[in-house]
Amino acid sequence: DIQMTQSPSSLSASVGDRVTITCRASQGIRNDLGWYQQKPGKAPKRLIYAASSLQSGVPSRFSGSGSGTEFTLTINSLQPEDFATYYCLQQHSSYPWTFGQGTKVEIK
Amino acid sequence: QVQLVESGGGVVQPGRSLRLSCAASGFTFSVYAMHWVRQAPGKGLEWVAVISYDGGIKFYADSVKGRFTISRDNFKNTLFLEMNSLRAEDTAVYYCARCGVSGICSSSGSGMDVWGQGTTVTVSS
Repeated sequence: DIQMTQSPSSLSASVGDRVTITCRASQGIRNDLGWYQQKPGKAPKRLIYAASSLQSGVPSRFSGSGSGTEFTLTINSLQPEDFATYYCLQQHSSYPWTFGQGTKVEIK
Repeated sequence: QVQLVESGGGVVQPGRSLRLSCAASGFTFSVYAMHWVRQAPGKGLEWVAVISYDGGIKFYADSVKGRFTISRDNFKNTLFLEMNSLRAEDTAVYYCARCGVSGICSSSGSGMDVWGQGTTVTVSS
């Protein structure tokens, strides 16, 4: 099975900051990766698909990059509504699909 | 609008069974593969199972293989998860989610693009 290592597990940031979250895959997954945002008590919401494509309706301050084994989610100019937990999901070839452990973005 | 609504959660004793449902609306259900994903209290997301658009192909996480069965009724636009021999570690919020592409759910753009609100399963004596 492909393992996803996400870092950091949590971070504190201020409104307006630039935030970067990383996921590393245990083997190459091309660009078969998505990023999801989850707020407390709510279902996850997809932000990015195919590693760098922005989901329709998602603000352009969110961006994704990477290919192979290393991937990054960047939030430019963090907004109050962005404080949440973020997960990567690898969907490469066969199952099982695997999520990263999550990154909780908190207010500094 | 595109919507998924789960139901069927509850409190159940270890070893018993429970059947979850996910009602789909606002899209052509029969052309999309569907997933179940769960989240234990205070923990991260765990992929559970997937079923192809026609119900002919199914995959499961090792943690549920042999105990859980995913199925679908394309005439009733409903996804199911039959859970048997439940354990305390199955306690979680269960989400259904749509594959991000129609047809075969195996491309870089697939993933899960629409999620339900979740239904809570508690396994406790």
